[in-house]
Amino acid sequence: AQTVTQSQPEMSVQEAETVTLSCTYDTSESDYYLFWYKQPPSRQMILVIRQEAYKQQNATENRFSVNFQKAAKSFSLKISDSQLGDAAMYFCASFDSGGGADGLTFGKGTHLIIQP
Amino acid sequence: KAGVTQTPRYLIKTRGQQVTLSCSPISGHRSVSWYQQTPGQGLQFLFEYFSETQRNKGNFPGRFSGRQFSNSRSEMNVSTLELGDSALYLCASSLAPRRYNSPLHFGNGTRLTVT
Repeated sequence: AQTVTQSQPEMSVQEAETVTLSCTYDTSESDYYLFWYKQPPSRQMILVIRQEAYKQQNATENRFSVNFQKAAKSFSLKISDSQLGDAAMYFCASFDSGGGADGLTFGKGTHLIIQP
Repeated sequence: KAGVTQTPRYLIKTRGQQVTLSCSPISGHRSVSWYQQTPGQGLQFLFEYFSETQRNKGNFPGRFSGRQFSNSRSEMNVSTLELGDSALYLCASSLAPRRYNSPLHFGNGTRLTVT
């Protein structure tokens, strides 16, 4: 079974600053995928970024980038130039593409506050 | 293109009753997954349907069931409701089943309150 751990229940950052959200995971599979989802007050889960485990290069999507450390099973999200619209719950998730395919495994989430 | 639509947005039910939640996927998407979100347990996978067949099921009791219709719309049913079933139920659709890492698109969820 996979586990995903987010050790920061809440983070606060000044607008325009950079913030890093932490995530560690555990899986016995060699082929898996990692994701960061954002859930604003509207409740809709929005995919922010994803990383294939077999790719060494860290994924980047505009102001969002990840630091994927496979050996350490760490997958942190960096948000640059934070904006008020980035305020939300952020969930780290993993998916094992093996035979089980039990759906995404989510962490407990980090509440990101943006200070104007 | 319309997103994933879940109805109703809010529901209040009494213990022992049953409830049916509906999810209409994005047009062309054939896979629908359901997740339960609670403050205590977080987000947990319920089940996934593809082409009207249940592909996978999470660790939930048999009171939780679902189905998918030929137009890919899905319903989930919870019978004999318990207080602990109070949660946000999220539906997500994708072009293909999860094992192919097809990106998930989530709806806004149905907030179920059991009293």
